[in-house]
Amino acid sequence: DTGVSQDPRHKITKRGQNVTFRCDPISEHNRLYWYRQTLGQGPEFLTYFQNEAQLEKSRLLSDRFSAERPKGSFSTLEIQRTEQGDSAMYLCASSLGVVSSNTEAFFGQGTRLTVV
Amino acid sequence: AQKVTQAQTEISVVEKEDVTLDCVYETRDTTYYLFWYKQPPSGELVFLIRRNSFDEQNEISGRYSWNFQKSTSSFNFTITASQVVDSAVYFCALSLDTGRRALTFGSGTRLQVQP
Repeated sequence: DTGVSQDPRHKITKRGQNVTFRCDPISEHNRLYWYRQTLGQGPEFLTYFQNEAQLEKSRLLSDRFSAERPKGSFSTLEIQRTEQGDSAMYLCASSLGVVSSNTEAFFGQGTRLTVV
Repeated sequence: AQKVTQAQTEISVVEKEDVTLDCVYETRDTTYYLFWYKQPPSGELVFLIRRNSFDEQNEISGRYSWNFQKSTSSFNFTITASQVVDSAVYFCALSLDTGRRALTFGSGTRLQVQP
């Protein structure tokens, strides 16, 4: 297994356009998280899935954002009507079970979104 | 709500120097987990260590060591004999034992090791 994979790595879009990112977690990892990281800051939690169920969404996730994880495998994050404030690195992470004293989250390389 | 503070925004050292990255956390929970991740320029967060709130033993792994002190709510990271390859942004993070179990990150410390 090659780890968490994210596609695309970079995306430049015009304001108002829709964009979709994909995350392929490590096989058999039932938890999948999306984070957003802006320049000079640490990642911030957006949402997470337990298998195919989306269990929680952060207040950072406006109505323009939607995430899915069909069949509990890969996940997509869509941003509609992008704004310049959406420019950030979007990171995906997966874990086998809950993060705990013997389980950590593995991160992908992220998708860097630039809205012009 | 939990919080992680990394007061050092950027540190620059010369190769072979020792360097300590500070991390202070806040939580009212008694059970929690602390982590350090390294983010090289490629962007991927690389896991370095995890520690649970009941284990205050310090840990050493090669040139890396971690000092966890509940009394001061700190989880500091020391790199001994730093190398250029250590240059990266380092993040301290906290996860609770309930709810979403997502990571709360500090703002990171950028470490530059000069040859």
